[in-house]
Amino acid sequence: ETGVTQSPTHLIKTRGQQVTLRCSSQSGHNTVSWYQQALGQGPQFIFQYYREEENGRGNFPPRFSGLQFPNYSSELNVNALLLGDSALYLCASSLETNSREQYFGPGTRLTVT
Amino acid sequence: AQSVSQHNHHVILSEAASLELGCNYSYGGTVNLFWYVQYPGQHLQLLLKYFSGDPLVKGIKGFEAEFIKSKFSFNLRKPSVQWSDTAEYFCAVKPGGSYIPTFGRGTSLIVHP
Repeated sequence: ETGVTQSPTHLIKTRGQQVTLRCSSQSGHNTVSWYQQALGQGPQFIFQYYREEENGRGNFPPRFSGLQFPNYSSELNVNALLLGDSALYLCASSLETNSREQYFGPGTRLTVT
Repeated sequence: AQSVSQHNHHVILSEAASLELGCNYSYGGTVNLFWYVQYPGQHLQLLLKYFSGDPLVKGIKGFEAEFIKSKFSFNLRKPSVQWSDTAEYFCAVKPGGSYIPTFGRGTSLIVHP
């Protein structure tokens, strides 16, 4: 176990709805990165948060947004859900933005119907 | 943008067989290289990483990987696999100075007892 927790474990939503996923980082880690892992694919970087600011973004539209709180926990929000958003969403925490190691949580399985 | 290729999508071996999983990347500059493993029902965890120095890297559980710069490769090896090595294996590449890793699509390894 890494100490990174995510909630909920599973979620089913309908197209057009909005969803919020949560992540608690490992103690002492100030950086959280979010990834989308579609079935049969590797994780794809969505964005990273460092000290409550978005620090970098992958190739995802603005309807994917996030927050980081003073305790370094983080949220991923997705608006106007599409069927293609169905995936495992992973968060990973690390000591700094370019840390040599990041620790992954168990993920949230999102199904959009 | 860099890309990562994992040539073997599915590998089936018997216990005690040797393992080599291929990973090639496309990026001409300095890179940081990683292999992650995802056991069934568990979170993604780091097997080993290369940042600099000896291109032969040893990781946990008897795994090792060799960075061959001229071939843009970072293949994962294990001399003798066990049933407990059944998992999904992901190669990831991060350009030096960047905090955004690119993952391969993964290789599913099944080891028969």
